[in-house]
Amino acid sequence: NAGVIQTPRHKVTGKGQEATLWCEPISGHSAVFWYRQTIVQGLEFLTYFRNQAPIDDSGMPKERFSAQMPNQSHSTLKIQSTQPQDSAVYLCASSLDVLNQDTQYFGPGTRLLVL
Amino acid sequence: QQKVQQSPESLIVPEGGMASLNCTFSDRNSQYFWWYRQHPGEGPKALMSIFSNGDKKEGRFTAHLNKASLHVSLHIKDSQPSDSALYFCAVSGPSGGNYKPTFGKGTSLVVHP
Repeated sequence: NAGVIQTPRHKVTGKGQEATLWCEPISGHSAVFWYRQTIVQGLEFLTYFRNQAPIDDSGMPKERFSAQMPNQSHSTLKIQSTQPQDSAVYLCASSLDVLNQDTQYFGPGTRLLVL
Repeated sequence: QQKVQQSPESLIVPEGGMASLNCTFSDRNSQYFWWYRQHPGEGPKALMSIFSNGDKKEGRFTAHLNKASLHVSLHIKDSQPSDSALYFCAVSGPSGGNYKPTFGKGTSLVVHP
C-alpha cells in the first residue's frame, strides 16, 4: 500500500497562471479531503468528497478554486489565476469512510509557490 | 463554529523527558479526538485517537480527555529526538451529520539530545 499519493510534490507558477494538483487516495477509501497548510493559518479545510460526490466545499475560496473527483482513484484541485497568497502546502487525505471515528491518512502534500 | 486551540505553540524538552501538549475545543457536542504528528516534508500521520473521557495509553504516548472541561491532552514519556515534530489536535463530532474535523494550529516539539 503506497499510501495517499500527491503529484507534483513541488510546483512553481507565475501570478495569474493555473495550477492543477493531483491526489490518488488509498484504494478502498471512500472519502477524500483537501486541506491547505500555511504557517500563519495552520491546517485549513477546503473540501471533501464521499464516493466521488462533493459533500462539503465550505472552505474553498469560491472564485478561483475548484475540486473534482472524476473516479474513485483520483481527485484534482484546480486553482485558476493563481495569486501569491495561494502559496501553501496543499494536502490531500483519505479515510475509509466519513464515520466520525475514521482516521484520515494524509499524502506528503504539494508545495505551491506563486511568484 | 468549532474552535480548537493548542498550547504551547512550541515546546523544548530534553531527551528522556516528558512532553505535555494541550488542546481545548469549543463545541460541547464534540465526540471524536485525534492527535496527529507531522515531520518536516511529510503529511500529518495519525498518532492516536481517544473517544471516551479518561486516559488512553499507547506505548510512550498517553492521551487524556475531559469533555466537561473541553480539554484533551497528549503526554509523551521518555521523549526521543525522533519525536521532534509538529503535533496537531483534531476534533469532530455531530454537526448535522456532516463530518469535518477541525484541526488546531499545532505545537512544535523539539527534543534535544
